[in-house]
Amino acid sequence: SQKIEQNSEALNIQEGKTATLTCNYTNYSPAYLQWYRQDPGRGPVFLLLIRENEKEKRKERLKVTFDTTLKQSLFHITASQPADSATYLCALDISTGRRALTFGSGTRLQVQP
Amino acid sequence: KAGVTQTPRYLIKTRGQQVTLSCSPISGHRSVSWYQQTPGQGLQFLFEYFSETQRNKGNFPGRFSGRQFSNSRSEMNVSTLELGDSALYLCASSGGLAVISRSYNEQFFGPGTRLTVL
Repeated sequence: SQKIEQNSEALNIQEGKTATLTCNYTNYSPAYLQWYRQDPGRGPVFLLLIRENEKEKRKERLKVTFDTTLKQSLFHITASQPADSATYLCALDISTGRRALTFGSGTRLQVQP
Repeated sequence: KAGVTQTPRYLIKTRGQQVTLSCSPISGHRSVSWYQQTPGQGLQFLFEYFSETQRNKGNFPGRFSGRQFSNSRSEMNVSTLELGDSALYLCASSGGLAVISRSYNEQFFGPGTRLTVL
């Protein structure tokens, strides 16, 4: 079955630095990959979607890359702020045209002021 | 536009009982998906409904069931509750067209229902 791996250890960085989170997957060739942010006690919030034919996608301070050969996506937050502290989840849609997302376990990001 | 709403927000039940959770999607959204989130297993897909039909189902026992009404509101039911069913149950809605297009694959999650089984 498909497997999605994210670094389960928390990532601690200093304010103003770039945070880089990794998402690796196996046994699947997704048409696209999504990133979500989740704050404690709340539902995930959609951030970015990147398709298999897109190498990079940007949105404000966020950047996502997608390497289908390596089966890896990198999620970058530039000029990080304490408000960026949250858990970040990557997700694959396992069923074309349907909304059956398979999520990674998430990486908790802590930005220190 | 109002977001996804879920009721109740918190629920405490005992083993063997059953529970029904409710989800109201964003107006105009026809697809509703349900997820279970636990510290050990993370976010796991339960099932998805579109136009009152279950289109996809995750790997959960038959004790977990759901339905969708004509107004797209959805309910999920868990019967014969077990301690391991304690979790945050999340509902997500999306535009629902069965085509891969950017706007319809983004899912909007509700705040969740925190279920505790004692």
